[in-house]
Amino acid sequence: AQTVTQSQPEMSVQEAETVTLSCTYDTSESDYYLFWYKQPPSRQMILVIRQEAYKQQNATENRFSVNFQKAAKSFSLKISDSQLGDAAMYFCAYPPPGTYKYIFGTGTRLKVLA
Amino acid sequence: DAGVTQSPTHLIKTRGQQVTLRCSPKSGHDTVSWYQQALGQGPQFIFQYYEEEERQRGNFPDRFSGHQFPNYSSELNVNALLLGDSALYLCASSLLTGTGGLSTDTQYFGPGTRLTVL
Repeated sequence: AQTVTQSQPEMSVQEAETVTLSCTYDTSESDYYLFWYKQPPSRQMILVIRQEAYKQQNATENRFSVNFQKAAKSFSLKISDSQLGDAAMYFCAYPPPGTYKYIFGTGTRLKVLA
Repeated sequence: DAGVTQSPTHLIKTRGQQVTLRCSPKSGHDTVSWYQQALGQGPQFIFQYYEEEERQRGNFPDRFSGHQFPNYSSELNVNALLLGDSALYLCASSLLTGTGGLSTDTQYFGPGTRLTVL
């Protein structure tokens, strides 16, 4: 079964520090995409970063980067220089190739401490 | 550039009633997906519409139905509401793109409609 697991229900980070959110997934596919979304209290799901599995290079978007370990089926999100506005629920998502749905993890609530 | 919009923001219904939620996709997008997000959970895929037809459906009963209009906007209808239908309903729009034979649609989400069933 294709699943996405986020084992950290909640994480805290001090402002300006770095935090890593974990995500593992299960797939038998070799080429696919992975996504991280952020959902602040406003509820809107915001795309943070996208990784293409066939690319060796980890994706980076400003302060957000991923550590993609294909063999381990691990897709971690690193947030550098954390800001108060980073506080939100973070969801990892995997769209199985050949389908149109996204499978989401249960999310990690990130708290940023001033 | 207008993003994905949804209406209404909040809705309160009673058991057995019917509800219609609306979504306008991001400019340039032709595909709309609907998700249900229960409190404390990740979104669950309901279905996707493309070219005015349901292209794929998740594990939701027939009480959940949808429609896509020629302007790509979409509606989600839920009949015979149950208490368990209380959730945040998210709409996502996308445009299918392909890279080296592998296609994907990066989905962009709207702010959601909070449905409460009493």
